Amino acid sequence: DIQMTQSPSSLSASVGDRVTITCRASQGINNNLAWYQQKPGKAPKSLIYAASNLQSGVPSRFSGSGSGTDFTLTISSLQPEDFATYYCQQFYTFPPTFGGGTKVDIK
Amino acid sequence: EVQLVESGGGLVQPGRSLRLSCSASGFTFGDYIMGWVRQAPGKGLEWVGLIRSKAYGETTEFAASVKDRFTILRDDSKSIAYLQMNSLKTEDTAVYYCGRVGYIAGSGVTDYWGQGTLVTVSS
Repeated sequence: DIQMTQSPSSLSASVGDRVTITCRASQGINNNLAWYQQKPGKAPKSLIYAASNLQSGVPSRFSGSGSGTDFTLTISSLQPEDFATYYCQQFYTFPPTFGGGTKVDIK
Repeated sequence: EVQLVESGGGLVQPGRSLRLSCSASGFTFGDYIMGWVRQAPGKGLEWVGLIRSKAYGETTEFAASVKDRFTILRDDSKSIAYLQMNSLKTEDTAVYYCGRVGYIAGSGVTDYWGQGTLVTVSS
């Protein structure tokens, strides 16, 4: 199975900060990567597909980049509603494994 | 508007079976792959399995942890996907989410998710 490693596992940030989360695959996955946001007690929400494409309705302060083994999710200016846990998931091969998650909380 | 609603969760004893349902609306259900993801209490997301559309033979894929115990079925006439869970173990305790899986720009993504249903396996 492909292992997806996210870093950091948690971070504290302030409103307005630029936040970057990384996701590393144990082998190359081209651009077959998705990012999700999950708030406590809620279902995940799709943010980005194919590494860098924003889902419809997702604010433009979210962006994704990368290819191969290294990927990033960037929030350009953190908003109060962005405090949540973020997960990456590879869809290159089965099983489509998730990263362990990155919890973003308020500094 | 795409909506997915899971049902069927609850408390079940180890070794018993349970069937979850995922009722879909707002899109042409038969055209899509439907998947299941679970989340144990306080833990991260774990992919469970998926079922392809009739055009792709309604074939299924499963995580190793549930293979040979779980099956996924679909009824396109009712827009419902099912997760049949047999020989349940305490480690299957989790919130189970169904999701619509799309392949866009050559990559897969679960673009819509249900609200989840809690399955507790305990004696």
